Amino acid sequence: GNSVTQMEGPVTLSEEAFLTINCTYTATGYPSLFWYVQYPGEGLQLLLKATKADDKGSNKGFEATYRKETTSFHLEKGSVQVSDSAVYFCALSALNSGYSTLTFGKGTMLLVSP
Amino acid sequence: DADVTQTPRNRITKTGKRIMLECSQTKGHDRMYWYRQDPGLGLRLIYYSFDVKDINKGEISDGYSVSRQAQAKFSLSLESAIPNQTALYFCATSESGPGGDTQYFGPGTRLTVL
Repeated sequence: GNSVTQMEGPVTLSEEAFLTINCTYTATGYPSLFWYVQYPGEGLQLLLKATKADDKGSNKGFEATYRKETTSFHLEKGSVQVSDSAVYFCALSALNSGYSTLTFGKGTMLLVSP
Repeated sequence: DADVTQTPRNRITKTGKRIMLECSQTKGHDRMYWYRQDPGLGLRLIYYSFDVKDINKGEISDGYSVSRQAQAKFSLSLESAIPNQTALYFCATSESGPGGDTQYFGPGTRLTVL
């Protein structure tokens, strides 16, 4: 079946540090890949997505590249801010019995201090 | 106004009680989903509906039922609540066709079963 594995948190960084959150996946076929973000007390919001190999998704200074050869979709940001503190979820969308549904990783909490 | 709303936002109930969580959307999407979020486990799919006449079980449907009253409304019921159903519940929607793999989430309902 489909699965997503992401690094455990919390990830604790100082403001302006470089961020990497690792994500690898297992899927049949050709999934689309996503990063969602959950701010405290809120629902999930789409951060970025990529639909095919070598695509790079980007938004708000975050980026991730769809690497089919390593089945990875690592999230990066060059300089984090305190406001980036949140839980980040990697997810994939793939066909399952004719339906397309999302499979999520367990989430990685990011804490950024001033 | 929020595109995906959930009611109630918080609920405390007792073991054995019947509970209904409601979700409404103004996005005009055909597809709707219910997830539960538990610490360290990420989001797990309970049920999903790709149109009013289509209901499908997700990964963890035991103990839950759903009703798709209209395109815009999708309710989740716990027929006889038990303490291990204490969790954060999210409703999500997506469009059909291209782009249908991107989901939009409500703010969540925090349910506590005593």
